[in-house]
Amino acid sequence: GAVVSQHPSWVICKSGTSVKIECRSLDFQATTMFWYRQFPKQSLMLMATSNEGSKATYEQGVEKDKFLINHASLTLSTLTVTSAHPEDSSFYICSARVAGRRYQETQYFGPGTRLLVL
Amino acid sequence: AQSVSQHNHHVILSEAASLELGCNYSYGGTVNLFWYVQYPGQHLQLLLKYFSGDPLVKGIKGFEAEFIKSKFSFNLRKPSVQWSDTAEYFCAVNIYGNNRLAFGKGNQVVVIP
Repeated sequence: GAVVSQHPSWVICKSGTSVKIECRSLDFQATTMFWYRQFPKQSLMLMATSNEGSKATYEQGVEKDKFLINHASLTLSTLTVTSAHPEDSSFYICSARVAGRRYQETQYFGPGTRLLVL
Repeated sequence: AQSVSQHNHHVILSEAASLELGCNYSYGGTVNLFWYVQYPGQHLQLLLKYFSGDPLVKGIKGFEAEFIKSKFSFNLRKPSVQWSDTAEYFCAVNIYGNNRLAFGKGNQVVVIP
């Protein structure tokens, strides 16, 4: 249980194009999903919290107009990198929160999407 | 803001050696604590977690971790490592009642057969 998938696993695009990344919870419903970014040899940095049926909550310093998040269903959140530039090249990872006792919840992670912007 | 510290980013050891990875956090209130592992080419997987109760937590693959509240620590241990334990290990903390997970920088562990 608690399997999270991401698609695509990697993408190469030209500068200025937009890229959409999907995150799905396969065997559970997730009212909350999270998007992280991981730079080489560094830790995961939380970008935003995706809430089903409402607007995402972005971390400080993350441009919400650049990283559009949509959480239209209980099993799918999407991250769209708009007008991507080389500095957006990174490893993007999503997670989904499995409901548990109040304040005792666990996040399960997707396999990540490697984005390379040329 | 809470911070999570993991020291000794690179750890190299031989099979059958014991492993201990340190994790310290800065928040003084109630926290939930996690260790995740990322095997080469794979996604983050949950090793173990602590919410409350017995501070010694046992996880998968023979790993355990001990929560010491007075030291703000949640160190990960395995008495005898195998080559297949080669991976990156991340400690993560979230403040009770808060969605966010704060990650440490990770420990790259290489086990030499």
